[in-house]
Amino acid sequence: DAGITQSPRHKVTETGTPVTLRCHQTENHRYMYWYRQDPGHGLRLIHYSYGVKDTDKGEVSDGYSVSRSKTEDFLLTLESATSSQTSVYFCAILGTGTGANVLTFGAGSRLTVL
Amino acid sequence: GEDVEQSLFLSVREGDSSVINCTYTDSSSTYLYWYKQEPGAGLQLLTYIFSNMDMKQDQRLTVLLNKKDKHLSLRIADTQTGDSAIYFCAESSYGGATNKLIFGTGTLLAVQP
Repeated sequence: DAGITQSPRHKVTETGTPVTLRCHQTENHRYMYWYRQDPGHGLRLIHYSYGVKDTDKGEVSDGYSVSRSKTEDFLLTLESATSSQTSVYFCAILGTGTGANVLTFGAGSRLTVL
Repeated sequence: GEDVEQSLFLSVREGDSSVINCTYTDSSSTYLYWYKQEPGAGLQLLTYIFSNMDMKQDQRLTVLLNKKDKHLSLRIADTQTGDSAIYFCAESSYGGATNKLIFGTGTLLAVQP
């Protein structure tokens, strides 16, 4: 998927445990994003990054933290997972093909919190 | 805040045209997008349109933009079973440091053979 790798692709965990999802890109893009996808809600932005150590909140950031210590990796952490965080998580990078803001997505990480 | 709305489901017969509709609220939207998601996969960009355009055509795809009504549509001609997927409308606007896209809820297109 255009140089974006998400890991793990599938994870089952228990309520209260910490979880970290990793997004790795090989294209040196500045902007990276974490979205979650839920039925009836489409994609909602959790956090995004506009450079190394530069991150900001999206519309559903409660219960999530992120880190970006190098350009190629953007980590999403659930400090204490809850069942409401069962979802499919997508990482995306921003390109500017022909001037438009175009997001390229990873394949997704399916997280189940029991 | 910005909002993007889509109907949840559309069913068509193979060979017919499909029209998927989207409305948005941000009058400063600069680009509007259509993404396609096949089962178990990530989103793939289908096409996008700049806000100063009314129409864009790309093979079987036609995008119509009514900026006055903040209405975007995607027409798929000669719909095939391989077009069955979820289609997401999204908008973005320049300004600020976010460069973020706001997505609709997605429309599930079911193509009946």
